[in-house]
Amino acid sequence: TQLLEQSPQFLSIQEGENLTVYCNSSSVFSSLQWYRQEPGEGPVLLVTVVTGGEVKKLKRLTFQFGDARKDSSLHITAAQPGDTGLYLCAGLMDSNYQLIWGAGTKLIIKP
Amino acid sequence: NAGVTQTPKFRILKIGQSMTLQCTQDMNHNYMYWYRQDPGMGLKLIYYSVGAGITDKGEVPNGYNVSRSTTEDFPLRLELAAPSQTSVYFCASSYSRPSGDTQYFGPGTRLTVL
Repeated sequence: TQLLEQSPQFLSIQEGENLTVYCNSSSVFSSLQWYRQEPGEGPVLLVTVVTGGEVKKLKRLTFQFGDARKDSSLHITAAQPGDTGLYLCAGLMDSNYQLIWGAGTKLIIKP
Repeated sequence: NAGVTQTPKFRILKIGQSMTLQCTQDMNHNYMYWYRQDPGMGLKLIYYSVGAGITDKGEVPNGYNVSRSTTEDFPLRLELAAPSQTSVYFCASSYSRPSGDTQYFGPGTRLTVL
């Protein structure tokens, strides 16, 4: 069974701080997606990374796909309360076109 | 566009009862998916469909059934509900397969089986 591990599981920091969350696997993925989920809602796609070593930026969020396409990171600069949510990574297996999901990082940004 | 809609939002079932979770999308998407999300766990794919009339099992299909008679609708049927099926269920859709396309999620159905 493929496994995507996210760390940390929970992070609570002050507004203005920087943070990084990680998504790691022993499997190779053809692409990897990051989602944010608010309470009582479904996940919303933030970004898809496809190429090993790829870096994508979305305002204060920076996403990186590992060179070997087994891991990814999400870095948030100067976190704001609006960044609060559950961050999920999901890797796509080429073999069956199914997404394998991590358990998520619950992020709380305190004003 | 309403996107992906799910009904009901909440439901409590007794063990052994059955129910259908409804999912409708108005984006003319070919692909539709059913996931369950348990606390502290990632989303698990139950069933998916690549078009009307075509369905296939995901990672955790036991205890569930689906049908796809139209492009818009993808209901999930629970037969003989069990406490292990207590979860939040999400329906999602995408225009094409996930590798290059966004999955759009509904708001979820929170199901409790007692």
